[in-house]
Amino acid sequence: EAQVTQNPRYLITVTGKKLTVTCSQNMNHEYMSWYRQDPGLGLRQIYYSMNVEATDKGDVPEGYKVSRKEKRNFPLILESPSPNQTSLYFCASSHYGTKTSLDYGYTFGSGTRLTVV
Amino acid sequence: AQSVTQLGSHVSVSEGALVLLRCNYSSSVPPYLFWYVQYPNQGLQLLLKYTSAATLVKGINGFEAEFKKSETSFHLTKPSAHMSDAAEYFCAVRTFMDSNYQLIWGAGTKLIIKP
Repeated sequence: EAQVTQNPRYLITVTGKKLTVTCSQNMNHEYMSWYRQDPGLGLRQIYYSMNVEATDKGDVPEGYKVSRKEKRNFPLILESPSPNQTSLYFCASSHYGTKTSLDYGYTFGSGTRLTVV
Repeated sequence: AQSVTQLGSHVSVSEGALVLLRCNYSSSVPPYLFWYVQYPNQGLQLLLKYTSAATLVKGINGFEAEFKKSETSFHLTKPSAHMSDAAEYFCAVRTFMDSNYQLIWGAGTKLIIKP
């Protein structure tokens, strides 16, 4: 089944303790992206990647890191989490960001609910 | 720059009533527009899309949306609401940024269905 898999689904952690949220897709998509979703703010893009070793900042990259060493994986790293990073996180993927490919939309993971205390 | 505005963070309708979720966009080029749905505890999934073909677009689960250029709108409708339609709905517009196409998202509208 074509899907984007995020882990973990739920995570509670303490301020300053490094964590990684994994994202993996099995559709050979070139484009992958991380979003955070907060009430009233919709989806805000954190980082995106056009292909292996090609990452770029989205709208809210502060406090986050990503890497894209393999096409299928796009982990989100919080080196020193803070309470304002408590949020619902989504990974998404699609074929390369061309006009035609985007017509099919993005495939989203099921989300990771992160709480930083 | 493109942007998307969804009117109403929450919309409440009775089961069997008409559903209308509003989306207005701004775009300097002919837009490609999308509606996504997010059911509780799930990721977003594509509901329907407008890609400059027919202005009335039909999606899954009986939803449809009409592109109106003069009103810069892409409102989502369903003639008769069902309890299973309770979800959050996001409108998005395709933008060209950093030499690539990406989506700009509205803030979302939570649809509440009253029995």
